[in-house]
Amino acid sequence: QVQLQESGPGLVKPSQTLSLTCTVSGGSIGSGTYYWSWIRQPAGKGLEWIGRISTSGRTNYNPSLKSRVTISLDPSKNQFSLKLSYVTAADTAVYYCARDPSDYSGSHYIWYFDLWGRGTLVTVSS
Amino acid sequence: SYELTQPPSVSVSPGQTASITCSGDKLGHKYACWYQRRPGQSPVLVIYQDTKRPSGIPERFSSSNSGSTATLTISEAQAVDEADYYCQTWDSGTVVFGGGTKLTVL
Repeated sequence: QVQLQESGPGLVKPSQTLSLTCTVSGGSIGSGTYYWSWIRQPAGKGLEWIGRISTSGRTNYNPSLKSRVTISLDPSKNQFSLKLSYVTAADTAVYYCARDPSDYSGSHYIWYFDLWGRGTLVTVSS
Repeated sequence: SYELTQPPSVSVSPGQTASITCSGDKLGHKYACWYQRRPGQSPVLVIYQDTKRPSGIPERFSSSNSGSTATLTISEAQAVDEADYYCQTWDSGTVVFGGGTKLTVL
Protein backbone atom coordinates (compact mmCIF):
# COMPACT_ATOMS: atom_id res chain seq x y z
CA GLN A 1 0.00 0.00 0.00
CA VAL A 2 1.00 3.63 -0.41
CA GLN A 3 3.22 4.99 2.35
CA LEU A 4 4.70 8.42 3.00
CA GLN A 5 7.99 9.12 4.77
CA GLU A 6 9.38 12.50 5.75
CA SER A 7 13.13 13.16 5.82
CA GLY A 8 15.38 16.10 6.48
CA PRO A 9 17.47 17.85 9.15
CA GLY A 10 16.10 17.67 12.67
CA LEU A 11 17.82 20.90 13.69
CA VAL A 12 17.74 24.22 11.87
CA LYS A 13 19.26 27.52 12.98
CA PRO A 14 17.09 30.61 13.33
CA SER A 15 16.76 32.70 10.17
CA GLN A 16 17.79 29.76 8.00
CA THR A 17 15.62 27.66 5.66
CA LEU A 18 13.94 24.47 6.79
CA SER A 19 13.96 21.82 4.04
CA LEU A 20 12.04 18.56 4.18
CA THR A 21 11.29 15.85 1.65
CA CYS A 22 8.43 13.38 1.57
CA THR A 23 9.03 10.13 -0.29
CA VAL A 24 5.99 8.26 -1.56
CA SER A 25 6.34 4.50 -1.82
CA GLY A 26 3.94 1.82 -3.02
CA GLY A 27 2.44 4.03 -5.70
CA SER A 28 3.20 6.80 -8.15
CA ILE A 29 2.97 10.37 -6.90
CA GLY A 30 1.72 11.36 -10.33
CA SER A 31 -1.17 8.92 -10.50
CA GLY A 32 -4.69 9.82 -9.57
CA THR A 33 -5.99 13.28 -8.84
CA TYR A 34 -4.31 13.86 -5.52
CA TYR A 35 -2.80 16.86 -3.89
CA TRP A 36 0.22 16.40 -1.60
CA SER A 37 0.25 18.43 1.58
CA TRP A 38 2.46 19.46 4.46
CA ILE A 39 1.01 19.83 7.97
CA ARG A 40 2.77 20.60 11.24
CA GLN A 41 2.09 20.40 14.95
CA PRO A 42 4.10 22.29 17.57
CA ALA A 43 4.42 20.51 20.89
CA GLY A 44 1.27 20.94 22.95
CA LYS A 45 -0.53 22.77 20.16
CA GLY A 46 -2.91 21.96 17.37
CA LEU A 47 -2.41 20.90 13.79
CA GLU A 48 -1.61 23.58 11.20
CA TRP A 49 -1.86 23.06 7.45
CA ILE A 50 1.12 24.55 5.63
CA GLY A 51 0.29 24.04 1.99
CA ARG A 52 -0.10 21.59 -0.86
CA ILE A 53 0.86 20.82 -4.45
CA SER A 54 -1.10 19.06 -7.15
CA THR A 55 0.30 16.48 -9.52
CA SER A 56 0.31 19.21 -12.16
CA GLY A 57 2.40 21.46 -9.93
CA ARG A 58 -0.32 23.88 -8.79
CA THR A 59 0.23 25.07 -5.23
CA ASN A 60 -1.94 26.43 -2.43
CA TYR A 61 -0.46 27.84 0.75
CA ASN A 62 -1.73 28.80 4.19
CA PRO A 63 -1.98 32.61 4.02
CA SER A 64 -0.25 32.90 7.40
CA LEU A 65 2.87 31.18 6.02
CA LYS A 66 2.62 31.95 2.32
CA SER A 67 5.45 34.48 2.21
CA ARG A 68 7.94 31.91 3.57
CA VAL A 69 6.77 28.62 2.02
CA THR A 70 7.65 26.82 -1.18
CA ILE A 71 6.37 23.33 -2.00
CA SER A 72 7.70 21.48 -5.02
CA LEU A 73 7.19 18.12 -6.70
CA ASP A 74 9.72 15.71 -8.21
CA PRO A 75 7.78 12.92 -9.96
CA SER A 76 11.01 11.27 -11.15
CA LYS A 77 11.93 10.59 -7.53
CA ASN A 78 8.35 10.14 -6.32
CA GLN A 79 8.94 12.94 -3.85
CA PHE A 80 7.60 16.32 -2.87
CA SER A 81 9.39 18.88 -0.76
CA LEU A 82 8.86 21.74 1.66
CA LYS A 83 11.03 24.79 2.11
CA LEU A 84 10.24 27.24 4.92
CA SER A 85 12.47 30.28 5.04
CA TYR A 86 13.52 32.61 7.84
CA VAL A 87 12.57 30.14 10.56
CA THR A 88 12.21 31.05 14.22
CA ALA A 89 11.62 29.03 17.37
CA ALA A 90 7.90 29.24 16.61
CA ASP A 91 8.50 26.94 13.64
CA THR A 92 9.66 24.12 15.92
CA ALA A 93 7.17 21.33 15.34
CA VAL A 94 6.54 17.82 14.12
CA TYR A 95 6.12 18.10 10.36
CA TYR A 96 3.87 15.65 8.52
CA CYS A 97 3.39 15.03 4.84
CA ALA A 98 -0.02 13.82 3.78
CA ARG A 99 -2.02 12.74 0.76
CA ASP A 100 -4.94 15.00 -0.07
CA PRO A 101 -7.69 13.47 -2.27
CA SER A 102 -9.82 16.64 -2.20
CA ASP A 103 -12.59 16.89 -4.73
CA TYR A 104 -16.03 18.34 -5.33
CA SER A 105 -19.31 16.75 -4.36
CA GLY A 106 -21.86 18.74 -6.29
CA SER A 107 -21.07 22.33 -5.45
CA HIS A 108 -19.33 21.53 -2.19
CA TYR A 109 -15.59 21.03 -1.88
CA ILE A 110 -14.38 18.09 0.17
CA TRP A 111 -10.94 18.60 1.68
CA TYR A 112 -9.30 15.99 3.84
CA PHE A 113 -6.13 13.93 4.25
CA ASP A 114 -6.42 10.18 3.88
CA LEU A 115 -2.81 9.14 4.36
CA TRP A 116 -0.12 10.63 6.61
CA GLY A 117 3.58 10.13 7.06
CA ARG A 118 4.98 9.27 10.49
CA GLY A 119 6.13 12.83 11.03
CA THR A 120 9.53 14.31 11.71
CA LEU A 121 10.52 16.66 14.50
CA VAL A 122 12.26 19.82 13.41
CA THR A 123 13.76 22.01 16.11
CA VAL A 124 14.78 25.59 15.41
CA SER A 125 17.64 26.53 17.69
CA SER A 126 21.08 28.03 17.53
CA SER B 1 -10.42 33.69 10.54
CA TYR B 2 -12.59 30.60 10.80
CA GLU B 3 -12.27 28.58 13.99
CA LEU B 4 -13.32 25.11 15.12
CA THR B 5 -13.85 24.53 18.83
CA GLN B 6 -13.54 21.15 20.54
CA PRO B 7 -13.69 20.24 24.23
CA PRO B 8 -10.16 19.59 25.54
CA SER B 9 -11.11 16.25 27.04
CA VAL B 10 -13.84 13.64 27.10
CA SER B 11 -14.02 10.55 29.29
CA VAL B 12 -15.95 7.37 28.65
CA SER B 13 -16.25 3.99 30.35
CA PRO B 14 -15.37 0.89 28.34
CA GLY B 15 -18.35 -0.35 26.38
CA GLN B 16 -20.15 2.98 26.61
CA THR B 17 -20.67 5.63 23.91
CA ALA B 18 -18.42 8.65 23.59
CA SER B 19 -19.42 11.82 21.79
CA ILE B 20 -16.92 14.49 20.76
CA THR B 21 -18.23 17.79 19.45
CA CYS B 22 -16.71 20.29 17.02
CA SER B 23 -18.30 23.72 16.69
CA GLY B 24 -17.86 26.36 14.04
CA ASP B 25 -19.92 29.06 12.36
CA LYS B 26 -22.41 27.34 10.03
CA LEU B 27 -20.22 24.24 10.08
CA GLY B 28 -23.17 22.21 8.84
CA HIS B 29 -22.88 24.06 5.53
CA LYS B 30 -19.40 22.62 5.04
CA TYR B 31 -18.00 19.12 5.00
CA ALA B 32 -16.17 18.01 8.12
CA CYS B 33 -13.82 15.13 8.81
CA TRP B 34 -12.20 13.57 11.85
CA TYR B 35 -8.76 12.19 12.67
CA GLN B 36 -7.58 9.91 15.46
CA ARG B 37 -4.07 10.26 16.75
CA ARG B 38 -2.83 7.69 19.20
CA PRO B 39 0.20 8.60 21.33
CA GLY B 40 3.39 8.54 19.32
CA GLN B 41 1.59 7.90 16.05
CA SER B 42 0.54 10.01 13.11
CA PRO B 43 -3.10 11.00 12.57
CA VAL B 44 -5.47 8.51 10.99
CA LEU B 45 -8.58 9.58 9.07
CA VAL B 46 -11.65 8.03 10.71
CA ILE B 47 -14.48 10.05 9.11
CA TYR B 48 -14.58 12.16 5.94
CA GLN B 49 -17.31 14.03 4.07
CA ASP B 50 -19.31 14.30 7.31
CA THR B 51 -20.32 10.67 7.62
CA LYS B 52 -18.12 8.39 5.51
CA ARG B 53 -15.73 5.86 7.04
CA PRO B 54 -12.51 4.96 5.21
CA SER B 55 -11.78 1.32 4.62
CA GLY B 56 -10.60 -0.37 7.80
CA ILE B 57 -12.30 1.99 10.24
CA PRO B 58 -14.70 0.12 12.54
CA GLU B 59 -18.42 0.74 12.26
CA ARG B 60 -18.30 1.89 15.88
CA PHE B 61 -17.14 5.25 14.51
CA SER B 62 -19.88 7.50 13.15
CA SER B 63 -20.47 11.19 12.74
CA SER B 64 -23.04 13.83 12.01
CA ASN B 65 -22.82 17.49 10.99
CA SER B 66 -25.68 19.94 11.28
CA GLY B 67 -26.18 23.56 12.19
CA SER B 68 -22.95 24.68 13.82
CA THR B 69 -21.81 21.37 15.26
CA ALA B 70 -20.24 18.18 14.01
CA THR B 71 -20.27 15.25 16.38
CA LEU B 72 -18.05 12.18 16.34
CA THR B 73 -19.64 9.23 18.08
CA ILE B 74 -17.70 6.18 19.20
CA SER B 75 -19.98 3.39 20.33
CA GLU B 76 -18.86 0.53 22.55
CA ALA B 77 -15.67 2.40 23.37
CA GLN B 78 -12.56 0.33 23.84
CA ALA B 79 -9.20 1.01 25.42
CA VAL B 80 -7.68 1.11 21.93
CA ASP B 81 -9.87 4.16 21.17
CA GLU B 82 -8.01 6.25 23.74
CA ALA B 83 -6.41 8.96 21.63
CA ASP B 84 -6.58 12.59 20.55
CA TYR B 85 -9.32 13.38 18.05
CA TYR B 86 -9.24 16.34 15.67
CA CYS B 87 -12.00 17.71 13.50
CA GLN B 88 -11.17 19.51 10.27
CA THR B 89 -12.89 21.53 7.57
CA TRP B 90 -11.84 24.31 5.26
CA ASP B 91 -12.66 27.99 4.78
CA SER B 92 -11.47 30.74 2.47
CA GLY B 93 -9.06 28.47 0.66
CA THR B 94 -7.31 27.09 3.71
CA VAL B 95 -7.63 24.07 5.98
CA VAL B 96 -8.92 24.57 9.51
CA PHE B 97 -8.33 22.08 12.33
CA GLY B 98 -10.02 21.95 15.69
CA GLY B 99 -7.80 22.13 18.75
CA GLY B 100 -8.22 18.44 19.51
CA THR B 101 -10.00 16.41 22.17
CA LYS B 102 -8.26 13.87 24.36
CA LEU B 103 -10.50 10.84 24.77
CA THR B 104 -9.88 8.84 27.90
CA VAL B 105 -11.39 5.38 28.23
CA LEU B 106 -11.54 4.36 31.88
